[in-house]
Amino acid sequence: DIQMTQSPSSLSASVGDRVTITCRASQSISSYLNWYQQKPGKAPKLLIYAASSLQSGVPSRFSGSGSGTDFTLTISSLQPEDFATYYCQQSYSTPGAFGPGTKVDIK
Amino acid sequence: QVQLVQSGAEVKKPGASVKVSCKASGYTFTSYDINWVRQATGQGLEWMGWMNPNSGNTGYAQKFQGRVTMTRNTSISTAYMELSSLRSEDTAVYYCARGSLYWGSRYFDLWGRGTLVTVSS
Repeated sequence: DIQMTQSPSSLSASVGDRVTITCRASQSISSYLNWYQQKPGKAPKLLIYAASSLQSGVPSRFSGSGSGTDFTLTISSLQPEDFATYYCQQSYSTPGAFGPGTKVDIK
Repeated sequence: QVQLVQSGAEVKKPGASVKVSCKASGYTFTSYDINWVRQATGQGLEWMGWMNPNSGNTGYAQKFQGRVTMTRNTSISTAYMELSSLRSEDTAVYYCARGSLYWGSRYFDLWGRGTLVTVSS
């Protein structure tokens, strides 16, 4: 099975900061990588699919890049509503493993 | 309104089974896969398996093989996930999620609100 890792596991940032989260797959997954945002007590929300495609309705400050084994999610200017946990997920093969998550909180 | 509505919270004893439902509305139920993902309290997301509502075909994560069954009733646009031989480690929120495809890349673009399953003696 493909294993996913994320770094950092948590970070503290201020409103307006540029934030970058990294996701790594244990083998090449081409561009089959998705990003989700989850707030406490809520279901995950799709942000980015196929590594870099922005889901409809998601603000353009979110962007994704990468291919192969290394991927990044970037928030260009952190907003108060962006404080949440972010998960990557590979969709190259089943099981569609998720990364362990990166918690973004207020500095 | 496009949504997935899940059944309510359950409390089960160890060894019992639980069946969670997920009712789709606002889109053609048979046109998209339904996936099940669970999350223990304070933990990450764990993909359990998928089902094609049109064909009934399923695929399960190896961890749950033999214990999970995913079914559907197309007449009421509802998917079901049944987990048997429950143990305390199965205590979690269970989500259903719609799977969409983009050039072969599958992603979950619509989620239910989750069903809390508590396993306790």
